[in-house]
Amino acid sequence: SQKIEQNSEALNIQEGKTATLTCNYTNYSPAYLQWYRQDPGRGPVFLLLIRENEKEKRKERLKVTFDTTLKQSLFHITASQPADSATYLCALDTNSGYALNFGKGTSLLVTP
Amino acid sequence: DAGVIQSPRHEVTEMGQEVTLRCKPISGHDYLFWYRQTMMRGLELLIYFNNNVPIDDSGMPEDRFSAKMPNASFSTLKIQPSEPRDSAVYFCASSGVEQFFGPGTRLTVL
Repeated sequence: SQKIEQNSEALNIQEGKTATLTCNYTNYSPAYLQWYRQDPGRGPVFLLLIRENEKEKRKERLKVTFDTTLKQSLFHITASQPADSATYLCALDTNSGYALNFGKGTSLLVTP
Repeated sequence: DAGVIQSPRHEVTEMGQEVTLRCKPISGHDYLFWYRQTMMRGLELLIYFNNNVPIDDSGMPEDRFSAKMPNASFSTLKIQPSEPRDSAVYFCASSGVEQFFGPGTRLTVL
């Protein structure tokens, strides 16, 4: 079955630095991969989608890469701010409509 | 648009009781998803609908769980009878390719 791995340990970085989060997957070749942000007590919020034929996608301070050979996606936040502190989830399509499989997420803490 | 609406936001019940969670998706979205989130297992897909028809319910843990979508603007997830291990946050989402999540229902079964 499809397995998605994200760093379970929280990532602590200083404001202004670039945060890099990793999403690895096995046993599957997804057509696309998505990243979501989740704040405590709230539902996940969609950030970016990258398709299998795209190497990189950018949105403001966010950048996502997708390496289908390594079966890995990297999620970067440049010039990080304390407001970026949240849990970030990666999600892969399942070949079943628009259903997604989510990783467990990585917690990011940006300190001033 | 108010986004995806879920009710109740919090539910505390006793083991053996019936629990009904409700969801109103975003108007015009053809897909509706029910998820459960726990610390141990993360966000798990329970069931999803396309145009009000259940497509994949393989994530529903057991027969105690059932879901319906009688029309395009309303869905329910029912647990009968509830058990303490059902305690979790239950999310409804609608989409599109990108999914829009509701605020969730935090269920505690004592």
